Amino acid sequence: EAEVAQSPRYKITEKSQAVAFWCDPISGHATLYWYRQILGQGPELLVQFQDESVVDDSQLPKDRFSAERLKGVDSTLKIQPAELGDSAMYLCASSLDPRTGYTNTEAFFGQGTRLTVV
Amino acid sequence: AQSVSQHNHHVILSEAASLELGCNYSYGGTVNLFWYVQYPGQHLQLLLKYFSGDPLVKGIKGFEAEFIKSKFSFNLRKPSVQWSDTAEYFCAVNAYSGAGSYQLTFGKGTKLSVIP
Repeated sequence: EAEVAQSPRYKITEKSQAVAFWCDPISGHATLYWYRQILGQGPELLVQFQDESVVDDSQLPKDRFSAERLKGVDSTLKIQPAELGDSAMYLCASSLDPRTGYTNTEAFFGQGTRLTVV
Repeated sequence: AQSVSQHNHHVILSEAASLELGCNYSYGGTVNLFWYVQYPGQHLQLLLKYFSGDPLVKGIKGFEAEFIKSKFSFNLRKPSVQWSDTAEYFCAVNAYSGAGSYQLTFGKGTKLSVIP
């Protein structure tokens, strides 16, 4: 069964350092999401891609966070510099593009990257 | 912007008790609705989904949900819970957000603890 791949699974970094997360969505999924999940809360959307284009990054702290999906396939989320408050689970998900007529917009999630900033 | 509200933060039940978790959303247009489950230490998994048709949808592990359009609700139910249902449950809504894109929004989640 196809899965969304994320790496690393765990990352510990010191504050003010740079950190990057990688995501490989399910093949053929044009939509890619990055969510942040703080313990005990629901996932919050950071950025959404359709192919290589960002369609929503309104909740992305752009002074320190960046995301790219250069070839419309895999994606990287970067934090520089990391702050203590960035400690959370970072989730990547992918789905088919609903704009192309697909009615099944189920999002498939990866295992996530648990970030601890010390 | 659309939002999703889950009524209960933490629900504690004994095994064999019935479960109902509330979910309301704020969006007036066409929506796709989901319930996801997150077992301890695992990633989010889809329990069930609604796109159109019969408003009563059945998912995995005996869960079902009912879409009531007039109430903007999509409540999750299970007639008899098991200890293995202990997990966190998230309601999610996918809706058109403008500018040609759709947005998938999650509720804050409900933690379910089932006591053997």
